[in-house]
Amino acid sequence: QKEVEQDPGPLSVPEGAIVSLNCTYSNSAFQYFMWYRQYSRKGPELLMYTYSSGNKEDGRFTAQVDKSSKYISLFIRDSQPSDSATYLCAMILNTNAGKSTFGDGTTLTVKP
Amino acid sequence: EPEVTQTPSHQVTQMGQEVILRCVPISNHLYFYWYRQILGQKVEFLVSFYNNEISEKSEIFDDQFSVERPDGSNFTLKIRSTKLEDSAMYFCASSLLAQYFGPGTRLTVL
Repeated sequence: QKEVEQDPGPLSVPEGAIVSLNCTYSNSAFQYFMWYRQYSRKGPELLMYTYSSGNKEDGRFTAQVDKSSKYISLFIRDSQPSDSATYLCAMILNTNAGKSTFGDGTTLTVKP
Repeated sequence: EPEVTQTPSHQVTQMGQEVILRCVPISNHLYFYWYRQILGQKVEFLVSFYNNEISEKSEIFDDQFSVERPDGSNFTLKIRSTKLEDSAMYFCASSLLAQYFGPGTRLTVL
């Protein structure tokens, strides 16, 4: 079993749609959860960082963590064509030089 | 906004040659990392570095790899004798809490 499983996609939605991206994990010791956006052949860009169960909102993005179910989600409201990218979930055990364990990524296309 | 920078953006080398990939982390960050991503695959951890020593390394990070922070700003990854399978995007990251990634160096081994 992979440590981090991410909904594989690809996902194609019309502009303005609400997008839901999801990951599950097996190691209950993960403490910190991130969502990154990656454009083709570019570096991962940090979107959201959270360390507790619950919701965290930043503009059109909401990160949700449910530690009891070992499940995290990223919601994108009012999706735009510029949101078209690969979204990576990642998690770490601790922030003191802790390695990030990434999901495989979900490729999102937002059609105008 | 501060960002992680990496040079070169693309490196082409012959199998068996040594390469050095360079990174300038965000200036007040304390923890430094190298990751790689083979085309079409997930981002994989290589090594983390803190207080001038390796904190953790993966199975990928064998004796052919080394890291160094030669001065107060640069962080380097050296591959001593490159193999074809080392062809990948190499990302440097730095953190205080969340990890911020650089744009990557695309390494092509011929």
